[in-house]
Amino acid sequence: EVQLLESGGGLVQPGGSLRLSCAVSGFTFSRYAMSWVRQAPGKGLEWVSSISGSGGSTYYADSVKGRFTVSRDNSNNTLNLQMNSLRAGDTALYYCAKDDSYGFPRFYFDYWGQGTRVTVAS
Amino acid sequence: DVVMTQSPDSLAVSLGERATINCKSSQSVFYNSINKNYLAWYQQKPGQPPKLLIYWASTRVSGVSDRFSGSGSGTDFTLTISSLQAEDVAVYYCQQYYRIPCTFGPGTKVGIK
Repeated sequence: EVQLLESGGGLVQPGGSLRLSCAVSGFTFSRYAMSWVRQAPGKGLEWVSSISGSGGSTYYADSVKGRFTVSRDNSNNTLNLQMNSLRAGDTALYYCAKDDSYGFPRFYFDYWGQGTRVTVAS
Repeated sequence: DVVMTQSPDSLAVSLGERATINCKSSQSVFYNSINKNYLAWYQQKPGQPPKLLIYWASTRVSGVSDRFSGSGSGTDFTLTISSLQAEDVAVYYCQQYYRIPCTFGPGTKVGIK
C-alpha cells in the first residue's frame, strides 16, 4: 500500500524558515518523480515544486523560485522541501504527491499524503 | 501560464441524476505527436487530500467507479458523473500538465439537491 506522510509544518514568522519532509513507503521511491502541492485555507490547489526520480532535475513555481529548495534522499525514501524567506502568502496545507511517471515528472499525481500545515504569521 | 477555468462554480444534483462539470484551458493541451490531451481530474472530499480520477482527459484510474467519465479535447473538457451517489459529494478540480507550471482549475463543488 502506498503511503506518504508529511511532517515539519508549523507556525513561523515572516522571513523565517521551515523544512518539510515526506516519508514514503509502498513503492520503489527512487523510480518516481515527486512533487509538493499546496492549498491555502479555503482555496484551490497550487503546484509548488517537483523533482525527478534521481533528484537530478528540479522544477519550481515562480512564486517560490529562489526561496524553496526541493530534495530527496532515495536511500531513506524521503522527500524534502526547504522553505526560506517565508511570506504570509505561503500559508497553506502542503501535500506531498507521487507523480505517475517513472523518472522525470509528468506532473499529474496519483497518490497524495494528508498534508502538513504551514502558517506564516507574526 | 495556462489558465484553467471551470463551470459551474457549484452544482446540486438529485441522487441518481447526472452531474456535468466543464473545464476550459487558455491554450490547447493536446500534444499532436502522441495524440493525447494533458488533462487530469481530481476529487477532493472535505478534510481529505485530492484523489486522481482521470488522466489523459479520459483514462479512468483503476478502481475508480465507472460512473466517472472524462471527455473533450484541445481546450474544452468535461467530467461527467453519470448517476450521482452520496459519496460523490466533493470538490472536483481539473489540471493541465501540458506546460510547466502545471495548473489547476478553481474547483467545482458538487452537492446533493
